Amino acid sequence: AQSVTQLGSHVSVSEGALVLLRCNYSSSVPPYLFWYVQYPNQGLQLLLKYTSAATLVKGINGFEAEFKKSETSFHLTKPSAHMSDAAEYFCAVSESLGYGNKLVFGAGTILRVKS
Amino acid sequence: NAGVTQTPKFQVLKTGQSMTLQCAQDMNHEYMSWYRQDPGMGLRLIHYSVGAGITDQGEVPNGYNVSRSTTEDFPLRLLSAAPSQTSVYFCASSPGWGTNTEAFFGQGTRLTVV
Repeated sequence: AQSVTQLGSHVSVSEGALVLLRCNYSSSVPPYLFWYVQYPNQGLQLLLKYTSAATLVKGINGFEAEFKKSETSFHLTKPSAHMSDAAEYFCAVSESLGYGNKLVFGAGTILRVKS
Repeated sequence: NAGVTQTPKFQVLKTGQSMTLQCAQDMNHEYMSWYRQDPGMGLRLIHYSVGAGITDQGEVPNGYNVSRSTTEDFPLRLLSAAPSQTSVYFCASSPGWGTNTEAFFGQGTRLTVV
């Protein structure tokens, strides 16, 4: 079974500072990895996904993530935080069920942006 | 462009009551699924469907039932609500069921069982 670990349930940064949200995965096969964002009282929105085409993946809202197989990591970064980035972020790996798949999520990281 | 629509947004049930959470998508996606979200645990798969008439269990299916009579709709039924089913429920749809396809999520139903 695959698993995802997100280091840090809460991360706080100042506006304009670097955002780094950590994600490590465990997978016995080449993984498909995703980052989702959840704003308060809303559903999950896809930020970006890794599907083996390129190790550096660019997403929406200025976010990007780098796949590092040797470290089994897929950390999410943004060079300069905005107040609007405050949300909960989930890393997920997709696991095949034969017919169908499931997303295996990490526990989530709440990002707080200070003015 | 509605995407995935869930109703209701909020619901309070008494222990033992039954109810149906509705989910509809207008993207003609074959694959639909239900997750529950609990604090500190991310989301966990309850049931999924690869097309009309085909459903299967996820990792936490007990106490829930689903059916898929049309491509658009995928309702989730709570048979006899228990406090352990207090959670936020998300419906999702995908254009395919391969592991490289992204899921589109609804806004969720916040359920409290008292």
